Amino acid sequence: SAVISQKPSRDICQRGTSLTIQCQVDSQVTMMFWYRQQPGQSLTLIATANQGSEATYESGFVIDKFPISRPNLTFSTLTVSNMSPEDSSIYLCSVPGQGVYEQYFGPGTRLTVT
Amino acid sequence: GNSVTQMEGPVTLSEEAFLTINCTYTATGYPSLFWYVQYPGEGLQLLLKATKADDKGSNKGFEATYRKETTSFHLEKGSVQVSDSAVYFCALSDWGFGNEKLTFGTGTRLTIIP
Repeated sequence: SAVISQKPSRDICQRGTSLTIQCQVDSQVTMMFWYRQQPGQSLTLIATANQGSEATYESGFVIDKFPISRPNLTFSTLTVSNMSPEDSSIYLCSVPGQGVYEQYFGPGTRLTVT
Repeated sequence: GNSVTQMEGPVTLSEEAFLTINCTYTATGYPSLFWYVQYPGEGLQLLLKATKADDKGSNKGFEATYRKETTSFHLEKGSVQVSDSAVYFCALSDWGFGNEKLTFGTGTRLTIIP
């Protein structure tokens, strides 16, 4: 199984600022996923990031708000831009697992916007 | 579109009690079904899976059977332990329409008291 780390593990940010979340995987993967878990709610896919191409965003998420970089096969970043309290969530990255449509998840970044 | 409806929590049980967490789904293709678990302070982990109708997934004493006729994938365990305290997520992925993303339920927080 893949080992995934995320930085920071948590942060408290001011309204209007931006935060970049890093995701590092211990093996090369073509595809990486970014999810948001709002308080008391389920996980929602933000975007799929393939190395060497633009990220594909899900309905309701836009690149200007959540720009993603994927510079190599083991690393990705998600930026939460111009934050508001509604962006307070846990943000998780994941990679495909060995089985059909399994995924391995990172520990998450808990973001609080004040 | 795809959706997962999960038993609302929180659920509190005594040690050695029988556990059932209900999960039903709506999908337009041929989904694989999953239960993920999130222990306190950790990332999501795959608990078990089933890829076709009548399959039974099992792991760590937990079981779930893929019931196509009732579109259900209920999680069961015969005797829970304090260490089972966690948040449990039911999820599906739809192979038939080439989706490579998971659709999650809202999660059920389980607390086991000694």
